[in-house]
Amino acid sequence: NAGVMQNPRHLVRRRGQEARLRCSPMKGHSHVYWYRQLPEEGLKFMVYLQKENIIDESGMPKERFSAEFPKEGPSILRIQQVVRGDSAAYFCASSPAVSIYEQFFGPGTRLTVL
Amino acid sequence: QQQVKQSPQSLIVQKGGISIINCAYENTAFDYFPWYQQFPGKGPALLIAIRPDVSEKKEGRFTISFNKSAKQFSLHIMDSQPGDSATYFCAASRDDYKLSFGAGTTVTVRA
Repeated sequence: NAGVMQNPRHLVRRRGQEARLRCSPMKGHSHVYWYRQLPEEGLKFMVYLQKENIIDESGMPKERFSAEFPKEGPSILRIQQVVRGDSAAYFCASSPAVSIYEQFFGPGTRLTVL
Repeated sequence: QQQVKQSPQSLIVQKGGISIINCAYENTAFDYFPWYQQFPGKGPALLIAIRPDVSEKKEGRFTISFNKSAKQFSLHIMDSQPGDSATYFCAASRDDYKLSFGAGTTVTVRA
C-alpha cells in the first residue's frame, strides 16, 4: 500500500519562475492538506482540499499561491513568481474520509529559490 | 503567533535513558494532541495521540502525559534507542483538520 507520494522531491527555481508541486494521496484517501515548513520551524497549515473543492485556504498567502485537487490526478500546489522567501519544505498529507484527524504525510518537496 | 510552544529545541540522551519533550498551548478549544516523528529527508509520521479526557496514554516505549489545567502535554521516550534519533513535533487541533505544530525537538540518542 503506497503512502502519500510527492514529486519532485527537490525543486530549484530562479526568482520570478513558477513552481508546481504534486501530491498523490494514499489510496482511498479523499482529503488532502498542504503544509509549509520553514527552516527551524514547525509545519504551518496552508490549505485543505477535497476532490474538486477547496475547503479551507486560510493559511495560503493571498497572492502567488494556488492549490487544486482535480477529479482525476494529483493535487497541485502552484507558486507563481517565486521569491527567496518561498524556499521551504512543502508537505502534503492525506486522510480517509471517515477520520480527518489522522493525517499521513508525504516525504515533502524541498523548494530552493535562487 | 505560535499556538503551540515546544521545548527543548534539542536534547541528547544516552542509550537506555529517558527523553522528555514538553509542549504548552493557549487555545482551550484544542482537543486533539498528536505527536509526530520525522527523520531527515522524510515527512512527519504520526507516533501517538491523545485527547484531553485522559491524562496519560502509553504505546510501547512512548508515553504522552496530559495536564489539562496547566495546558501542557509531554512526550516521554523510555529506554531511548539510537533508532529514536529524529525530530519530534507536538501538534494540536480543535477537533478538525487544521494541525498547529510546535517548532520541533531534535533528539539524539548516543550509543
